[in-house]
Amino acid sequence: EADIYQTPRYLVIGTGKKITLECSQTMGHDKMYWYQQDPGMELHLIHYSYGVNSTEKGDLSSESTVSRIRTEHFPLTLESARPSHTSQYLCASSEWREEQFFGPGTRLTVL
Amino acid sequence: GENVEQHPSTLSVQEGDSAVIKCTYSDSASNYFPWYKQELGKGPQLIIDIRSNVGEKKDQRIAVTLNKTAKHFSLHITETQPEDSAVYFCAASIGSNAGNMLTFGGGTRLMVKP
Repeated sequence: EADIYQTPRYLVIGTGKKITLECSQTMGHDKMYWYQQDPGMELHLIHYSYGVNSTEKGDLSSESTVSRIRTEHFPLTLESARPSHTSQYLCASSEWREEQFFGPGTRLTVL
Repeated sequence: GENVEQHPSTLSVQEGDSAVIKCTYSDSASNYFPWYKQELGKGPQLIIDIRSNVGEKKDQRIAVTLNKTAKHFSLHITETQPEDSAVYFCAASIGSNAGNMLTFGGGTRLMVKP
């Protein structure tokens, strides 16, 4: 089983709160990703990173931001959560040109 | 950019029957095609993948076929079991030196009835 962790697994918060979703991997992978998964199942890439100090926006525009200060850690932050941010957020990591390993996901609900 | 279409979106089969999920892609430069299985409450997990230099790959009850000319690839599950029930995603990647950027299909919810 892949060693990639996400916390919290479930989060219910009120509108306007600042939140950070944590993602850590112990495999030493350079590449990391954040996906948003809507109720219809589809996976949308919102952020990715090639390595430390590298962050890029994905295909789906998102109001969230990410940082990559350490290889193993790739947190996602929402400065002011809104109900439209309610979704499942999946973190993944990979070596170059290899499979992506996914974490278990964080289910976020914004009231 | 790459676009991956996946069909069907839902599939219900009887235990022991075969299941087939099909995907098409748009970018002829794509050369890596993984399939992921996502069980309830978990992240997707790779179950099989194929690269463009082969036409078919098997791993026990699952197989993937690739037709580069037609730009489509399929997942075949034989002798389905209830534990095969999950959401399956296909994906395609150019796999350039910039790393493995995957474009996912929309997913197929497979239900295996005992």
